[in-house]
Amino acid sequence: DAKTTQPTSMDCAEGRAANLPCNHSTISGNEYVYWYRQIHSQGPQYIIHGLKNNETNEMASLIITEDRKSSTLILPHATLRDTAVYYCIVSFSDSWGKFQFGAGTQVVVTP
Amino acid sequence: DAGITQSPRHKVTETGTPVTLRCHQTENHRYMYWYRQDPGHGLRLIHYSYGVKDTDKGEVSDGYSVSRSKTEDFLLTLESATSSQTSVYFCAITRGGTGELFFGEGSRLTVL
Repeated sequence: DAKTTQPTSMDCAEGRAANLPCNHSTISGNEYVYWYRQIHSQGPQYIIHGLKNNETNEMASLIITEDRKSSTLILPHATLRDTAVYYCIVSFSDSWGKFQFGAGTQVVVTP
Repeated sequence: DAGITQSPRHKVTETGTPVTLRCHQTENHRYMYWYRQDPGHGLRLIHYSYGVKDTDKGEVSDGYSVSRSKTEDFLLTLESATSSQTSVYFCAITRGGTGELFFGEGSRLTVL
């Protein structure tokens, strides 16, 4: 599976959009991009995933560049409860669940 | 909530003793996984199962065995616990056709 690169940490003001970048320059054509987050001491939580097209759900939006070498997770209106470590993962569809979690990005939302 | 229950949630044991962690699910999912999480290493896959009696090794399987005799239960066993196995262990399932992982609340194991 392709590896990903994320910033170690970032801060965001409450109520503002949080834009979390992820680089996956070696991604293969049929690898999906998944985003998870982990709030302190809890199990990771699925956020969103996509292949080529941009995706949106009730939690976030995922923007994937046309060349698929990078993506951005957007939390449209960050709240204090969004403070967490965010993981970007790329994986083949037949590798479901066998994910390689990196260090992720520690996001701190401040009042 | 994906109907995943891990037990025990906390355990302290001594080096050399056997330990079994249980993952129980109520939604009849086929795929189940055991991960461990350690500072500086993130989450790493130990073993996974794709059905009753069908299991396979993950990235860090040495020192661990698993069993799945029923769809709902996936057991992780440390035959002889070592201090390096002190960790937080997470069970997970995949639901539906999208490969999304749903995790349990974790089991914190301390090996003295």
